Amino acid sequence: LAKTTQPISMDSYEGQEVNITCSHNNIATNDYITWYQQFPSQGPRFIIQGYKTKVTNEVASLFIPADRKSSTLSLPRVSLSDTAVYYCLVGAAGGYQKVTFGIGTKLQVIP
Amino acid sequence: GAVVSQHPSRVICKSGTSVKIECRSLDFQATTMFWYRQFPKQSLMLMATSNEGSKATYEQGVEKDKFLINHASLTLSTLTVTSAHPEDSSFYICSAAPGTGYTDTQYFGPGTRLTVL
Repeated sequence: LAKTTQPISMDSYEGQEVNITCSHNNIATNDYITWYQQFPSQGPRFIIQGYKTKVTNEVASLFIPADRKSSTLSLPRVSLSDTAVYYCLVGAAGGYQKVTFGIGTKLQVIP
Repeated sequence: GAVVSQHPSRVICKSGTSVKIECRSLDFQATTMFWYRQFPKQSLMLMATSNEGSKATYEQGVEKDKFLINHASLTLSTLTVTSAHPEDSSFYICSAAPGTGYTDTQYFGPGTRLTVL
């Protein structure tokens, strides 16, 4: 399982775009990149998943460069409710595959 | 998206008692489910992989006789913390994926807060 490195914490003002970068230098050819959001005392919630280039959904965008050694989660115009811990996971995404959580990035949105 | 539930959401018990936590996939079948434990201000730590119809696979350092896992059906896995002690107090979370495809996503339950007095 590829190891990931993320900033431990980030602060942002409401309405700003937030970019959280994750490094995964040892990503394997078959690995996907998945981001989860976790609020206190709740289970993680899937945000977005990608393999290469750019993926966008109604919540976020995920940018993955050609070498795939890093990825950036982009949250447009954050609000106070986006205050949470964000986890970057790298691995085979199939239902049988166990995943390993890193420390995550604690995002604090400031009014 | 797929929904995973857990019951109970929180439980308080006396030291030495056993506690059972249920994890259900509500709108899909899951051959494999995962159990995690999360201590305050820490990340999720995988405890074991629950396999329907067979024995669970435990991560290194997790006592299989203390954390009993039963995956009786394709929609239910249970974790029983036997002879619980205060150090077992934690947030327990399960997850499952609705398929076996390469990009199928893990969906997580809401978690169970266990407090052992």
